Amino acid sequence: AQKITQTQPGMFVQEKEAVTLDCTYDTSDQSYGLFWYKQPSSGEMIFLIYQGSYDEQNATEGRYSLNFQKARKSANLVISASQLGDSAMYFCAMRAFSGGYNKLIFGAGTRLAVHP
Amino acid sequence: DAGVTQSPTHLIKTRGQQVTLRCSPKSGHDTVSWYQQALGQGPQFIFQYYEEEERQRGNFPDRFSGHQFPNYSSELNVNALLLGDSALYLCASSSGLAGGPSYEQYFGPGTRLTVT
Repeated sequence: AQKITQTQPGMFVQEKEAVTLDCTYDTSDQSYGLFWYKQPSSGEMIFLIYQGSYDEQNATEGRYSLNFQKARKSANLVISASQLGDSAMYFCAMRAFSGGYNKLIFGAGTRLAVHP
Repeated sequence: DAGVTQSPTHLIKTRGQQVTLRCSPKSGHDTVSWYQQALGQGPQFIFQYYEEEERQRGNFPDRFSGHQFPNYSSELNVNALLLGDSALYLCASSSGLAGGPSYEQYFGPGTRLTVT
């Protein structure tokens, strides 16, 4: 069965510091995709970064980078130079194939609080 | 270019009633997926519509049904509401069933349903 595990219910970080949000996954597929989404209190899921299972380089998008360790089945999100606006829920998700169709499987999320 | 829109924003219903939620996909997208996000949890996949047909379904009872219209917009219907149906309902749109390599789904702001 495909599963995403986020073991950190909540994280605190000081403004301008870096923070790592953990994500491990379980799948028997050879081809899969891993995503991170940010969900502010407004509720909308905001796409942050994507990593494909065959990508050799770790994905980066501005202050976001994904530390992809395939053998350990982990896809941790690193946010550099945290800002107050980064305070939100963060979800790790995996693209799952099912008979040729796609859906996203989400973890339980990590609530990040950035302190001034 | 309008993103994914959902209506209504908030809704309060009584147990046993029926509810219809609406979603308009991002311009150029033809696939709509629905997710339920209970408080404090990650989103759970309900079902996906493409070419006006339900293509795949998550582990949700038949009380949850949907529809997709020729303009690609979609409705989610829930019958015989239970207290446990209280959640944020998210709609996501994408292009095609398989999507591109990154298969990014664009999420709407969600409809917050409260069942009393």
